[in-house]
Amino acid sequence: GQNIDQPTEMTATEGAIVQINCTYQTSGFNGLFWYQQHAGEAPTFLSYNVLDGLEEKGRFSSFLSRSKGYSYLLLKELQMKDSASYLCAVREGNNNNDMRFGAGTRLTVKP
Amino acid sequence: GAVVSQHPSWVICKSGTSVKIECRSLDFQATTMFWYRQFPKQSLMLMATSNEGSKATYEQGVEKDKFLINHASLTLSTLTVTSAHPEDSSFYICSARDARRDYEQYFGPGTRLTVT
Repeated sequence: GQNIDQPTEMTATEGAIVQINCTYQTSGFNGLFWYQQHAGEAPTFLSYNVLDGLEEKGRFSSFLSRSKGYSYLLLKELQMKDSASYLCAVREGNNNNDMRFGAGTRLTVKP
Repeated sequence: GAVVSQHPSWVICKSGTSVKIECRSLDFQATTMFWYRQFPKQSLMLMATSNEGSKATYEQGVEKDKFLINHASLTLSTLTVTSAHPEDSSFYICSARDARRDYEQYFGPGTRLTVT
């Protein structure tokens, strides 16, 4: 099994930068994903890390340290529409490559 | 981009009846599909993993006789909630993995089930 921990809620100001942390423990690691989910909708893919380091994708960046079981999602130039839940998910290296999710971080962007 | 559809998007049923939810990958073949359940303000909980042509693998605590999963083709998986009860009311989301792009999972829009 695995434990995936991330903060429950965060608040930030429009135009600012916010970092959402995720720590995990897993018996077999095969990739870490970040998803964005608006209320009542399905998650949408943001980023994928399987090797250590930073992956940048426009206003969003994601970092991974496998030795520390740690990742973060960095959102720059925050916009009001970025208010959503951000889900950290870890894929296990088992036969099915199951993906399991953290509880999610609810981000509120204020003007 | 890859598209996954679910049908129905919402359903209301009476306690004791069965409900079938379909999950389709529209423009790719999905050797593996996943079924998740999400209660309000909670994260997605993996219920089961289905591989085309074989039996589904259920997570601990998920009753396989209550949540029947059939992955009959590379583009279709179904979840049947049998003898539904009000506590089964939830948001059910399927996800499909593209056989050619193994690292990414695509999510369907979800099905909101309400059992009265």
